[in-house]
Parts: sequence; structure tokens; C-alpha cells
Amino acid sequence: GDSVTQMEGPVTLSEEAFLTINCTYTATGYPSLFWYVQYPGEGLQLLLKATKADDKGSNKGFEATYRKETTSFHLEKGSVQVSDSAVYFCALVIQGAQKLVFGQGTRLTINP
Amino acid sequence: EAGVVQSPRYKIIEKKQPVAFWCNPISGHNTLYWYRQNLGQGPELLIRYENEEAVDDSQLPKDRFSAERLKGVDSTLKIQPAELGDSAVYLCASSLVWPGNSPLHFGNGTRLTVT
Repeated sequence: GDSVTQMEGPVTLSEEAFLTINCTYTATGYPSLFWYVQYPGEGLQLLLKATKADDKGSNKGFEATYRKETTSFHLEKGSVQVSDSAVYFCALVIQGAQKLVFGQGTRLTINP
Repeated sequence: EAGVVQSPRYKIIEKKQPVAFWCNPISGHNTLYWYRQNLGQGPELLIRYENEEAVDDSQLPKDRFSAERLKGVDSTLKIQPAELGDSAVYLCASSLVWPGNSPLHFGNGTRLTVT
């Protein structure tokens, strides 16, 4: 079945470090890909998305590129801040299936 | 705009007791979802509504779980009787017309602890 695999956390970085959170997927069709973020005590929020191969989603300094050849959608940020500390979820939806499938989440902690 | 509102935020019950969760979606969102998030895992869909119709309930354990969305607005998710393994965060989300270009808006969730 359709699934998403994220790098295991927790991930701890210092402020201004470069961030990569890996995400790979398995899908029977042509999925749209998403990153959601969950800040402490809050609900999940859409961070960015990409709907077709080679699309790049970006928001708040984060980027992710839809790589069909490697079935990946890695999240990157050039310089993280303490306020980026949160749990990040990679997700996909198959058009027609109308179901959002999440990875297990990666907890990120940024130290000042 | 007001976000998705869920209540209660926390609930502690003993096993075999019933429990109910309530969700008020964003005004105008016709699609409503209930997800369950176990500790350290991503959310898993329990049921999806389009207006008042449950269009995907394939992952809902129907022997003990039930849901309703009367009038296509608010929704209630019920567990009766609760089991220890039901301890989790129950998330409600809503969106405009699916597919994919309309993001899901999540509530803060209800954290259920079954003792």
C-alpha cells in the first residue's frame, strides 16, 4: 500500500545549522506530497507542498523538491532557528484515493 | 477565521467506559476528517465525511467506534467501551473540496488516556 518513511528522530541541531529531514514514499499512483509541522501544544499545519515531479515547495525558509526518480521529498532549511523546534510530518495523497497518508514524524529541537 | 475547534483537550477514563469527542470545523468546509495519532507515530485516518455522508470509514473499528456529522457541520466521535489501546490523540481536520489543492486544517486534538 501507499506509505511514507521519514528519518528517525529526534534531531537536535544548533541555531543557524543546515537542516535536512529525509522523506521517501511508496505509491501506486502519482501522489501529491506535503510537509506538515506541529509546534508544541498546537495542531498540525501545512508547511509546504508539491503536486508533480520536479516541483519545489517552499515556505518560511523551508524547501522540498519532489523527486520522482528517487521517490523522495526531503525537507531542507539553510539556517534553522529555535522557533523551528517542532515535529515535522511528511505526507502524501493519491488523487482519487482522497486519503492523506502520514509518515511517523520527526521531532526537531534547535538549541540556541 | 476561526480554526477547527475540538473538545475536550484532555480526557482520562477507565477502560470499559464510554467517551465522546466533539469537533467544529472551519465554517464552509464541507469535508471533515477524524484521525488517530498514537504516541511517536503519524496520524492515521479513521473516517472522512463529505457534508453529512461518511465516504471513507474503512479504518474505523466499528465494533466500538462510531461517528456522526449531523447537518454536515459539527461532528462527534464516540468510543464504547474504551480499551487501554485506545489511548492516543484524536485529531479532527476539515478542508474545502478535495482533492489535494485544499489543505487540511487540523484542530489541537483531544488526548485520551484510558487507565
